Formats: sequence, C-alpha cells, structure tokens
Amino acid sequence: EAQVTQNPRYLITVTGKKLTVTCSQNMNHEYMSWYRQDPGLGLRQIYYSMNVEVTDKGDVPEGYKVSRKEKRNFPLILESPSPNQTSLYFCATGQGAVGELFFGEGSRLTVL
Amino acid sequence: AQKITQTQPGMFVQEKEAVTLDCTYDTSDPSYGLFWYKQPSSGEMIFLIYQGSYDQQNATEGRYSLNFQKARKSANLVISASQLGDSAMYFCAMRTFGNEKLTFGTGTRLTIIP
Repeated sequence: EAQVTQNPRYLITVTGKKLTVTCSQNMNHEYMSWYRQDPGLGLRQIYYSMNVEVTDKGDVPEGYKVSRKEKRNFPLILESPSPNQTSLYFCATGQGAVGELFFGEGSRLTVL
Repeated sequence: AQKITQTQPGMFVQEKEAVTLDCTYDTSDPSYGLFWYKQPSSGEMIFLIYQGSYDQQNATEGRYSLNFQKARKSANLVISASQLGDSAMYFCAMRTFGNEKLTFGTGTRLTIIP
C-alpha cells in the first residue's frame, strides 16, 4: 500500500527544545515537500526536495531545517522551536513536476 | 510570483444540490497545473482533481469537475449532487512546471445541510 508516514502525529513541546518530525514514503517518489497549515492562511511550503541531497527553500523556511540523505526519508528539524511554530505540518511526495501530491496524515505540533 | 485566491471562506449548501467553489489564480508561467484537495475534519488531505494548463477539456472525476476558464484565470470546482460527506475544507492549489512550489489558496469550508 502506497503510504506517506509522518511521526509524531501529535507533539507538545517547550520553547528551545530541538525536535524532528520524520517523513517516510514507500512510493519511490523523487519529490518531497513540507507544508505548514495555519487558520486563514492555507498551506504554506517550508522546504522541498527534488531528489537525494537536493533541497530548497519554500515560502516560510525560517526556523526549520531539512535533509534528504535517502530517497524515502525527508525529516523536518526544528533546532530551537518557538511558539509561532505551533501549527499542523504536512509532508507530501510526488513524481516529477506534474501530477498530484500524496500527503501524510499531518503532525500537530504545539510549542509552549 | 504565483498566487491562488479563494474568496469564499465558507458555504452552506442543501444536500443533493450542486455547488461551485471559486478559485482564481495568477501566474506568468504559461505551463502550470491546477489542483483541488479536500480536507475533512479528520485532517488528511485528499486529492480530488487536476487540470493542466494545456488541457483542452475540463477535467472530471466522478461527481467532481473543474470549470477551467484560462482567459479569466479561474479554476472553479463543481460538485454535483452534494452529499453530507462532502462537508469539508476545500483547497485550490497551483504548481508551475519547472517551479516545484505548490501554492495553496486559503480554502473554503463547505457545509452540506440535510
């Protein structure tokens, strides 16, 4: 079964405590991306990756890091989380420049 | 820069009626793709329909169709014979070829009334 798996699904943490949200896909997709969803703002792209070792900034990259060492994994790293990073995060994957993106189930993060 | 505008924050529609969700877009790139996603209260993002900028015909997927008017830069989603399960948040999105960003609108919350 084609899957995009995010972990954790829910997390409450405190300001400054480093955390990583993992994303793994089993569809052999080259393209992977992270989005955050906030009320009234829709989904905004944080970072994306066209392939292994190839990453680029989206619209709201400040405060986030990513890495793409393997094709199937694309973790999102918050080195020093702040309350304004409280949000619902989605990982998405796709093949090539066109066609649909497949989304993970989302990770709801709260930073106190 | 590319932009998606959804001007309807919320809509209430009687069950079994057709509903049109508005989406306008802005891009200077001649090659692009337009998407609609559904987000139910459970939170997942469900792909509904895709329209390429060079497609001659409007896309259809079951009860969903995309009313693509290129000159007006609009890509409205039409849901025929609405059902209670259609109640959800709906997002319009655009991706330009060669630019790997998928830009989303702010969404429309659709509520189907029995």
